[in-house]
Amino acid sequence: DAGVTQTPRHEVAEKGQTIILKCEPVSGHNDLFWYRQTKIQGLELLSYFRSKSLMEDGGAFKDRFKAEMLNSSFSTLKIQPTEPKDSAVYLCASSLAHGENTLYFGAGTRLSVL
Amino acid sequence: QQQVRQSPQSLTVWEGETAILNCSYENSAFDYFPWYQQFPGEGPALLIAIRSVSDKKEDGRFTIFFNKREKKLSLHITDSQPGDSATYFCAASDGGNNKLTFGQGTVLSVIP
Repeated sequence: DAGVTQTPRHEVAEKGQTIILKCEPVSGHNDLFWYRQTKIQGLELLSYFRSKSLMEDGGAFKDRFKAEMLNSSFSTLKIQPTEPKDSAVYLCASSLAHGENTLYFGAGTRLSVL
Repeated sequence: QQQVRQSPQSLTVWEGETAILNCSYENSAFDYFPWYQQFPGEGPALLIAIRSVSDKKEDGRFTIFFNKREKKLSLHITDSQPGDSATYFCAASDGGNNKLTFGQGTVLSVIP
């Protein structure tokens, strides 16, 4: 079975650009999460979908970050406009719904904003 | 605010020693505590987890000790191996949903 696939693995953007990160969850999983990882903060939740419905949109990230789930097997995270402080690793994870299920993470997209 | 805190930020042990990674939390509603292990260039992967009704969970060389009253838990890695060198994240969730709140992570280095 394929795991969580994230593309691209690396992205370099100029300040002010719009970038779109992509995620394909594990087939059959109902929950999808976007996290941002930095050394200082660790993993911070950006968005949480259940069965394609947005359940949580991380408050501090609302203004320039928008996650969408176009269908059950594809999600995007748009950052518009990018700022240097957005440089981080963006992780997508999926899981089965209902209860304490394991989150399966993709390898992440490393974003550098110049 | 950081609802899940980990210490130390980094830890170095010799091969064969026991590594102890600490975690504390603030939200009394948290009742499920997984630890995730992450190697460079990869996403985190579930290592071991405990529910708040238990005070200990063991899986091979990995043991979680949980103190509900003090809102603290720790991950003990006995007989540490160089292959255990990774970043370890403590996480927490409540109410049976899958949304995890993560700590900042502890970077473990095991020296041969």
